[in-house]
Parts: sequence; structure tokens; C-alpha cells
Amino acid sequence: DTAVSQTPKYLVTQMGNDKSIKCEQNLGHDTMYWYKQDSKKFLKIMFSYNNKELIINETVPNRFSPKSPDKAHLNLHINSLELGDSAVYFCASSQVGVEQFFGPGTRLTVL
Amino acid sequence: GQSLEQPSEVTAVEGAIVQINCTYQTSGFYGLSWYQQHDGGAPTFLSYNALDGLEETGRFSSFLSRSDSYGYLLLQELQMKDSASYFCAVRGDSSYKLIFGSGTRLLVRP
Repeated sequence: DTAVSQTPKYLVTQMGNDKSIKCEQNLGHDTMYWYKQDSKKFLKIMFSYNNKELIINETVPNRFSPKSPDKAHLNLHINSLELGDSAVYFCASSQVGVEQFFGPGTRLTVL
Repeated sequence: GQSLEQPSEVTAVEGAIVQINCTYQTSGFYGLSWYQQHDGGAPTFLSYNALDGLEETGRFSSFLSRSDSYGYLLLQELQMKDSASYFCAVRGDSSYKLIFGSGTRLLVRP
């Protein structure tokens, strides 16, 4: 059973397009996260939801909008994609915040 | 500002011991975590220290000194499969927010 899953695994798209990435966790955790990992492998938190409530919102362009329909799902929608958005996006979940479980990642390439 | 510093790359021989250091400067501190990431894979949790001292989990140990804002990950009996990137991460001003270091790439040679 996959604990944290993301779709799609790969996403190749043109500049200016809008795309979404979906994340689901079956661990029963209350908290979910979105991270961005750039080409230098620097891992940075973008958003976090706790029981469907936004608790962390880092300095991210407002073209990025997270949505949590329930505590097992956290989606990320990106408008007007730019070249600099190319990265690997990881979803993660945790119960308290100590041990975070990461999904397999979505490699986004903007052409 | 908030920053974590760790070496960018470490090379060691199979069977040896390697230590990866991490120094941090953050506005708050709940604890220091370590994550492992293989190329093309996801970060996976290794250990967590909230208090000073050494935590041991099998071949891996992690140490924290809060007064020195310093920690390290110790890997013993290195195996080829330990070749990966290792990230330290601080739970800083929020118990849910992890601030990651830039990662240390460990290469284990035969």
C-alpha cells in the first residue's frame, strides 16, 4: 500500500499553461505539505495544511494555489507556468511534524 | 535569517565510518531531523533529536548540541547503498515547518 501518492509523476508543459498536481495519503495524518526541490536539490517548503486549514504559506507566487478537499488530499494548482517553475514537487504528510512521509515526487518541466 | 550549513559532498570507503555535520541558525528550535534521499527518490526520515545527546538507530546515529547549534549524522559500517544525499532539517519557529539544509552528497566507494 502506498502511503503518500502523487499524480502525475512527470509533467511536461509549455510556458503559460495551467496545471495541477494531486496528492493523497492513507496514513491518517492530520498535516500535509508541498515542497519544491530545485535542480540543486534544495528542498523548500511551500504550503502546509492541518485538518484542511492552511497553516504554512511561504513566500510563493500567488500563481500557486493549494487546495485541501479533506485531510487525506492536498492538491497544488499552478497558473501561468514559467520556466523557473521547473522542479520536483514533493507532497508530504505527518501527524505531529517530527517525521514527515514524502510522496514519490512530480517532476515538472516547463518548456 | 534562517540557515543550515552542511558539507556539499563526502566520500568514504565501504565499511568505514562517516560523520556529516550540520550547523544551524534559526529563529526558533524544536529539534533537528535527518533525511536520506537517493537519486530520483523521495526524502525518507532517518532520525530526530530534540534534546542534547546521541540517538542511535542501527548503523545510524545522530547527535545534537543545542548550545552549539550543531548536530551530526554518523553512519557506521558503510554500504554501497548508503550512497545518497543526506539533509539536516530544523523544526524552527513552527512545530510543523521543516527548514532543510542544502544536503550532503555521500559517495561510498568499494
